[in-house]
Amino acid sequence: EPEVTQTPSHQVTQMGQEVILRCVPISNHLYFYWYRQILGQKVEFLVSFYNNEISEKSEIFDDQFSVERPDGSNFTLKIRSTKLEDSAMYFCASSELSTNTGELFFGEGSRLTVL
Amino acid sequence: QKEVEQNSGPLSVPEGAIASLNCTYSDRGSQSFFWYRQYSGKSPELIMSIYSNGDKEDGRFTAQLNKASQYVSLLIRDSQPSDSATYLCAVNENQAGTALIFGKGTTLSVSS
Repeated sequence: EPEVTQTPSHQVTQMGQEVILRCVPISNHLYFYWYRQILGQKVEFLVSFYNNEISEKSEIFDDQFSVERPDGSNFTLKIRSTKLEDSAMYFCASSELSTNTGELFFGEGSRLTVL
Repeated sequence: QKEVEQNSGPLSVPEGAIASLNCTYSDRGSQSFFWYRQYSGKSPELIMSIYSNGDKEDGRFTAQLNKASQYVSLLIRDSQPSDSATYLCAVNENQAGTALIFGKGTTLSVSS
């Protein structure tokens, strides 16, 4: 069964360092997303990406964040200068259609710990 | 601020019983509604989607949608201990939007 894969599964970094989280969406999906979940809190939308550009982003997705699809398979989230409050589980997701008619499938997540 | 509200629980039911999980949402323009299951430390896993008023059944799961009341529910029949997890209600932000807004989830505990 096709799945969304994410690397690394866990990353520990120092405050102020740059972090890149990587994702390989399901191959025939056209919409890609990043969500995050701080421990014990709800899943929060960060950004959606379609046709090689950002479709929508939340207030959380400030200038410290960027996304890129560097080739035909990978989708990355970069945090330029990490803060303590960026510690969370980051989930990549993909869907064949937009969420008003399509279903989102999540990867296993990348746990980011900022010290 | 668009909100999706769920009772955090825990909801405790005995094995074989029906578990009923509820969700309300604030944005009347929402078009798509989803239930995800999340085991501790794992990613959300899609259980069901529902787009129109009424009931939608899939195996032991039934989703119910009432747009007039802005209410979505999930019924789990013949609950099993393996159903013990947190159930997340998610709503698409608006008709043109791509973001899903998640509730905090209801923790279900099924005892054998």
